[in-house]
Formats: sequence, C-alpha cells, structure tokens
Amino acid sequence: SAVISQKPSRDICQRGTSLTIQCQVDSQVTMMFWYRQQPGQSLTLIATANQGSEATYESGFVIDKFPISRPNLTFSTLTVSNMSPEDSSIYLCSVLVATDTQYFGPGTRLTVL
Amino acid sequence: QKEVEQDPGPLSVPEGAIVSLNCTYSNSAFQYFMWYRQYSRKGPELLMYTYSSGNKEDGRFTAQVDKSSKYISLFIRDSQPSDSATYLCAMRNTGFQKLVFGTGTRLLVSP
Repeated sequence: SAVISQKPSRDICQRGTSLTIQCQVDSQVTMMFWYRQQPGQSLTLIATANQGSEATYESGFVIDKFPISRPNLTFSTLTVSNMSPEDSSIYLCSVLVATDTQYFGPGTRLTVL
Repeated sequence: QKEVEQDPGPLSVPEGAIVSLNCTYSNSAFQYFMWYRQYSRKGPELLMYTYSSGNKEDGRFTAQVDKSSKYISLFIRDSQPSDSATYLCAMRNTGFQKLVFGTGTRLLVSP
C-alpha cells in the first residue's frame, strides 16, 4: 500500500475564487488520479495526473477548470478554478501501486458559498 | 442507465448478522472488481480486489463475482459495529486504470 496525505483537509471558499489541493505520497508511484465525490453520487474520475506531461482529462472535465500539476513521482496538485457552489464536493487523489490497485487519500472537503 | 448500480441503503443489521452487499453492472468488458469501505469523513479504503469470476475470502469478508449475471457481492460474517460505514463497489476494464464506482451502500450495525 501507500501512505497518502492531502492538504487542505477542508476549506470554505467564496464563489469565483480558486483553490489548490495538494496530494503527497510516501513512495514513488507511476500513476496518480484525481476523483470527485459529490453528495449522493458515485466517485467520478476527473483526470489522470501524468508526470512530466499534461494531465489526461475525462469527459466533462477540462483543464481550464481543473488544472493539474505533477512535478515528480510523489506529488500532484489539483486546482479548482473560478468556483461556484456546484463545485462543493470531496476531492480525492489516488495512486496506483505495484499490485495494480488504487489507494485513496483522505480527501479534501470543499464548500463553495 | 448508470454503468454500475448499487442500492444506497441504509442497511441496518444487528451485531453478529451476516451482511450481503451487492452491485450490478452493464459493461461486460469489466474484468477487475473491488470493494472499498469508507468511514465518515475519510477516504475509501480497499477491502477486496478480485479478477474475473469466482470467490475470494479474507477473514470475515467474502467477495463474489458472477460475470454471466453482471453481479458482484460482498458478504460480511459476524458483523461488528465497527463495520458501520459506506461500502463502495468499483470495477474496471483490462488495460484501463479508470475505476467506475457505484454510489455506495451505507451499512449500520447496531450493538
């Protein structure tokens, strides 16, 4: 497995602002992912964070809204830009470990007013 | 129609009961099946990971996959109050790492 931390754990933000969420892993991993968990809905993949290249976004998610960085094999950031109340959600990063399974971080609970 | 269907519950059982949690899916290409447990205000924790059809047992937990029926189950024996959580099923295709999740079933085990 892997130990994953996320910062911040929660935040309350104003409409129109941006928030950057950090994800740190205790070991080098090949693949990192960002998911969104909205109330009453299933976890949905936003994008795959690629080290050294642009992230790969899923249908319905765009780079301008959710820019992602991955400067090395243990760290990634997700920015939620120009936020609206509809962006209120839990944002989770996950990593793929050698056993071909994904492990999740504790999540960042975002409320947009 | 959602790719993965899961009853949201809540499912309430007394301590010691056998719990059955289920998911159905529509994509026959799914080959890998997982169950995650998520406590309130925590991230999902991997419980079981199976490939293709069959059973897998780990302690009090048994995962079953029936690909012919597109139906997966998680059984919990001798349930404990500490098992109270939301259980998420997830699955993916061969060659793709994108996980497709059910909405989760909330389980409440009363002492």
